[in-house]
Parts: sequence; structure tokens; C-alpha cells
Amino acid sequence: AQSVTQLGSHVSVSEGALVLLRCNYSSSVPPYLFWYVQYPNQGLQLLLKYTSAATLVKGINGFEAEFKKSETSFHLTKPSAHMSDAAEYFCAVTDNAGGTSYGKLTFGQGTILTVHP
Amino acid sequence: GAGVSQTPSNKVTEKGKYVELRCDPISGHTALYWYRQSLGQGPEFLIYFQGTGAADDSGLPNDRFFAVRPEGSVSTLKIQRTERGDSAVYLCASSQRGLAGITDTQYFGPGTRLTVL
Repeated sequence: AQSVTQLGSHVSVSEGALVLLRCNYSSSVPPYLFWYVQYPNQGLQLLLKYTSAATLVKGINGFEAEFKKSETSFHLTKPSAHMSDAAEYFCAVTDNAGGTSYGKLTFGQGTILTVHP
Repeated sequence: GAGVSQTPSNKVTEKGKYVELRCDPISGHTALYWYRQSLGQGPEFLIYFQGTGAADDSGLPNDRFFAVRPEGSVSTLKIQRTERGDSAVYLCASSQRGLAGITDTQYFGPGTRLTVL
């Protein structure tokens, strides 16, 4: 069974500082990986996804993530935080073994990002 | 075009009552997913539709939960004999292909917050 672990339920950074949100996965086969963001009272929005084309994935709003198979990690980074980045971030995985997976997502528990002025 | 919509946005009911939650996916999306998000947790998969049929209902917690998508568009999640533990935000997502494209982006609705008193 797949699982996703997000280290740190809350991360706080200063505006302009580096953002690093951690995600580790457990899967029997190399998975597909996603980062979603959830703003208050809004639906989940896709930031970026890894589908095995390239290990460094660039997403919207200046975010990027690197797939590291040896570390089973897919950490999300942004060089300089903005106040508007304050939200909850979810890492998710889907099995790429095909067949019955149907693309259903297994999510981590989420990390709330706070950005201080 | 319009995104995924869900109604109602909030539903308060009493223990033992029956509720229906509606999801209106993006037009033309054949794949539809229901997830449940409990407080402080990431979304958990409930059921996946490809067209009119439920291709995977392995996430439904018990037989009190049922979902339909009779015309391959709007879906309704039905919960019988509600329990306090059913209180959560119920999320709906749709994507273009689903089965043939397991990495297709899932677009999420804002959710329905269900509270069972």
C-alpha cells in the first residue's frame, strides 16, 4: 500500500525566506507525485506533478519540487516566500502500476505554511 | 469555463438522518472522484467513477455510503443513518480521462462541510 508522510504539520517562514516543505513516500513501484495547495474556503489546486519525465518539476507561483528516488522524497521549495503563499499544502501519490489505480490519490496529512512579514 | 461545483456548501444534520451531497464536475470530464477530509487530515479517497459506472468504490467506509452518477455528469453521494463520525468535508474532483490518463490533473470543488449533531 502506498503512503505519504509530510514532516511538519506547521511551517513558519519570514517573507522573502526559503520555503521547504517535506514529503516522503512509500510505494512498491516508482509513483507519480503531486503537490496541491488549499487556500481558506477554496478547493485544492494543483501546484505541480511528477510523472517521470524529469526529476525537477517546476510548478505555478514559483514553486518547484525534486523527485529523489534514493531518498523516496519529493520536497517542495520556493526561493522567496510571499505573504500570499500562506495556505495548507498537501503532497499526494498515485500508483503508476496502471490497471486498477485509476489515478486515485493518496494524500499526506498536510502542512500549514505561515508567512510572517 | 466553470470549475467543479458542490452543493450544499454546508450541511448540518442530526444523527440518524439521511443526506445527499451533490457534485457538478467540469463539463466533458469523464472521471469523477469523491474524497473525505476530516479535521487536520489529508483527503481520503472514497469512490471513483469513469462515466456512469463506479470503477472503484474501495474507499467507501461502509454500506451506509453510496454514490451515483446516472448520466455520467452530476454525481450524488448519499449517506444513510448518519453518525457523528461522518462529520467531515466531502470533496469532489473531476479529470478529463481517468482510466487512460492516471496522471491527468484532478480539479477539486470547494467541498461540502457535513456536520452531524
